[in-house]
Amino acid sequence: GAGVSQSPSNKVTEKGKDVELRCDPISGHTALYWYRQSLGQGLEFLIYFQGNSAPDKSGLPSDRFSAERTGGSVSTLTIQRTQQEDSAVYLCASSLDEVSSYEQYFGPGTRLTVT
Amino acid sequence: DQQVKQNSPSLSVQEGRISILNCDYTNSMFDYFLWYKKYPAEGPTFLISISSIKDKNEDGRFTVFLNKSAKHLSLHIVPSQPGDSAVYFCAASARRTGANSKLTFGKGITLSVRP
Repeated sequence: GAGVSQSPSNKVTEKGKDVELRCDPISGHTALYWYRQSLGQGLEFLIYFQGNSAPDKSGLPSDRFSAERTGGSVSTLTIQRTQQEDSAVYLCASSLDEVSSYEQYFGPGTRLTVT
Repeated sequence: DQQVKQNSPSLSVQEGRISILNCDYTNSMFDYFLWYKKYPAEGPTFLISISSIKDKNEDGRFTVFLNKSAKHLSLHIVPSQPGDSAVYFCAASARRTGANSKLTFGKGITLSVRP
């Protein structure tokens, strides 16, 4: 079946603009995660959705960042008033998040460049 | 504060030899560990995992060893192949605390396998 897909693959925006990044998880996966990878760094957790539970937003770096997941499937990560330090690759992952399967499957990422 | 550390940024090995990638962690609550492989312009791909109740897990050419007392794990690839050349990320999660399965990643190590 299809893997995790993300759009756009690349986004260049001017400082101060808002951006929306989209993630389509693997069908049937109840858990969805957003991470970002800044230059020379590992992947940094941002937010986690599991079913109908309240999301874990503990990784969001500021209140300019928000995310939602509609219908338990597609997710959108929104960054308001973008700053240059927001430039990174934003990765989405999904998983079954069950006792037998904790592995997360990643999309190709969206490379965000804030000029 | 890096909770997952991959202290060597790169490793170069000859084709056919063993590659040993190391990872250390500081959080004693971590109980599940994963290795991901990443090619340029692609998302990380799940490779192999290990639960803290085990000290070894093997899958084909890939074996992960876990030393809980030393808070150390390693990924062995044998024999190494040129197609294994990629960035390898070590990741950990703390499920037994009831926390969600968000992953904490190391910064990655770039493996180069010379033909």
